[in-house]
Amino acid sequence: AQSVTQLGSHVSVSEGALVLLRCNYSSSVPPYLFWYVQYPNQGLQLLLKYTSAATLVKGINGFEAEFKKSETSFHLTKPSAHMSDAAEYFCAVSEGNTDKLIFGTGTRLQVFP
Amino acid sequence: GAVVSQHPSRVICKSGTSVKIECRSLDFQATTMFWYRQFPKQSLMLMATSNEGSKATYEQGVEKDKFLINHASLTLSTLTVTSAHPEDSSFYICSVPYQGGGKTQYFGPGTRLLVL
Repeated sequence: AQSVTQLGSHVSVSEGALVLLRCNYSSSVPPYLFWYVQYPNQGLQLLLKYTSAATLVKGINGFEAEFKKSETSFHLTKPSAHMSDAAEYFCAVSEGNTDKLIFGTGTRLQVFP
Repeated sequence: GAVVSQHPSRVICKSGTSVKIECRSLDFQATTMFWYRQFPKQSLMLMATSNEGSKATYEQGVEKDKFLINHASLTLSTLTVTSAHPEDSSFYICSVPYQGGGKTQYFGPGTRLLVL
């Protein structure tokens, strides 16, 4: 069965600092991997996704993630944090041949001025 | 991008009543939609897959008679929480898979349910 682990339920950074949110996956088949962002009391917005093309995936709002098969990781990064990046971030893997998504437990990003 | 709407955005009801939540795909037709539940400060848990023209597929541990799902058309799925109790209070989110492939899902804005 596929699964996703997000290390660190809370991450705090200063404005302008590097953002690194960790995600490790478990999958017996080449995975589809996603990062979603959720602002308070809202649905989820797709940041980026990996679909076996380029291993470095660029998304919206300056975020990017690198697929590393050897490490079974798909960490999310942004070179310079902005106050508006404060939100909940979810890593997800698509399950098998279905469109079902398995979500990680989420990481809350706080950005301090 | 695709737009998915949910109605209502927030609902407060008395214990024992039933509440219907609508999920609409505004940009394209969807033969399947997904319903998730999210408790405060927790992740999304898939409740069921709504299938147009057939019965919904429920995840293990989800009560079918409690959470009724109807995929009335290719753009509308409804989730009815029957005989709601305070423990059903949660954030309910639907999603629509992008039909163009790539397993992308577009999420609705969510419905906050509070059962008193």
